[in-house]
This record gives sequence, structure tokens and C-alpha cells, in this order.
Amino acid sequence: EVQLVESGGGLVQPGGSLRLSCASSEFTFSDYAMSWVRQAPGEGLEWVSGISASGGSTYFADFVKGRFSISRDNSKNTLYLQMDSLRAEDTALYYCAKMGYAGSRSWFDHWGQGTLVTVSS
Amino acid sequence: QSVLTQPPSASGTPGQRVTISCSGSDSNIGSNPVNWYQHLPGTAPKVLIYSHNQRPSGVPDRFSGSKSGTSASLAISGLQSEDEADYYCAAWDDSLNGWVFGGGTKLTVL
Repeated sequence: EVQLVESGGGLVQPGGSLRLSCASSEFTFSDYAMSWVRQAPGEGLEWVSGISASGGSTYFADFVKGRFSISRDNSKNTLYLQMDSLRAEDTALYYCAKMGYAGSRSWFDHWGQGTLVTVSS
Repeated sequence: QSVLTQPPSASGTPGQRVTISCSGSDSNIGSNPVNWYQHLPGTAPKVLIYSHNQRPSGVPDRFSGSKSGTSASLAISGLQSEDEADYYCAAWDDSLNGWVFGGGTKLTVL
């Protein structure tokens, strides 16, 4: 059974930083692209960032460009999200999601339980 | 404001068939496969439909998806109380170079 376990969330002041981690197991981590998706309180799902299997390509939603960075350590089977210059509107439950593939088609086939980030003074 | 547009709510009685719509544009639904996710509060989201109309193993055939032009739909037949959840459509957007989600539809089983 694929396991994705997020950690690193917490309370941080506006302008502060946090680094989220997503530890994976039971699949070949280095073969799959990964993403971070968040859900703010009372809101819907919102894609934040993605990274290719090798880590050579990264993608960001406009609202985090220049503030967040994504990386992975395939030797540790772990995905990261470095969040800087945090704003109150970044308060959300952050999910780690693994990509599934069928030919050229892709989707998020496994998700973690999420880690809560609260940005408040 | 979400890039993909879904109705905020839907409802039905047990046994009924309900559909949830998802409207996008040429750069997302018009060009790329649509995926649907089910999300129950306090749990991890789960993929229901990928690539417009494909069901992962374990998803009942009561769930089906379709696409026409820049819109997609999720249909749930034989509605059950356990289907009460939030449903999201998603697709890759070629202009934004990222994934976009609908705002979500809260399904209530009356």
C-alpha cells in the first residue's frame, strides 16, 4: 500500500518560513512526479506546486511563484516544499500527492493525510 | 475564483442519479483529460475518474465521467448515503502550466 506522510506544518508568523516534508514508501519514488495540493479552511482543493520524477522540472501556481520552492531527495524517498514569505492566505492543510500514469494521461492517484500550516501573528 | 467552474452544491435521494458539471476552457478541459476526485472531510482525497471516463480499480461502476468540448460531467447513479462528499474536477492547464481544480461540489444525499 502506497504511503505518503506529510510533516513540518505548524504556526508561523506572516513573513516567516516553513519547510514541509512528505515521506513516501511502498512504491519506487524516483519513477513518479509529485505535487503539493492545499485546502484552505472552508475552501476547495488548490494545486500549489509539482516536480518531475527526476526533479529536473518544477511547476508552481502563480500565487506561490517566487515564494515557494519544491524539491525531492530520491535517495530518501522524500518530497519537500520550502515556503518563504508566508501570508495569512497560505493558511491551509497541505497534501502531498503522487502522480498516476496511463500513457500520456496523468492524475493524482495517491494522497497523504495532510499537514496543517497556520500563518498568523 | 477557480479556473474550472462547478456548481457549489448538488443533492439527490437514495437510488437517484445525479450529475455534476465542470466547465473550463480550451487550455484545460478542451485540451487535456479531466479527472474527478471525491473528498470526505478529514480524509485524503480519492480519485474517482481519470482521463474523462476511466475508473481506477475499486471504484464502483455507479460513477461515470464524460466530456464534451470544454465541459465535463460526473454522473453518480444508484445514489447511496456514503456518496455524501465533496467532488472536484481537475485538469492540466496548458496556459498556466499547472493543474487547475474546480471549486468543488458538495453532494448531499437527502
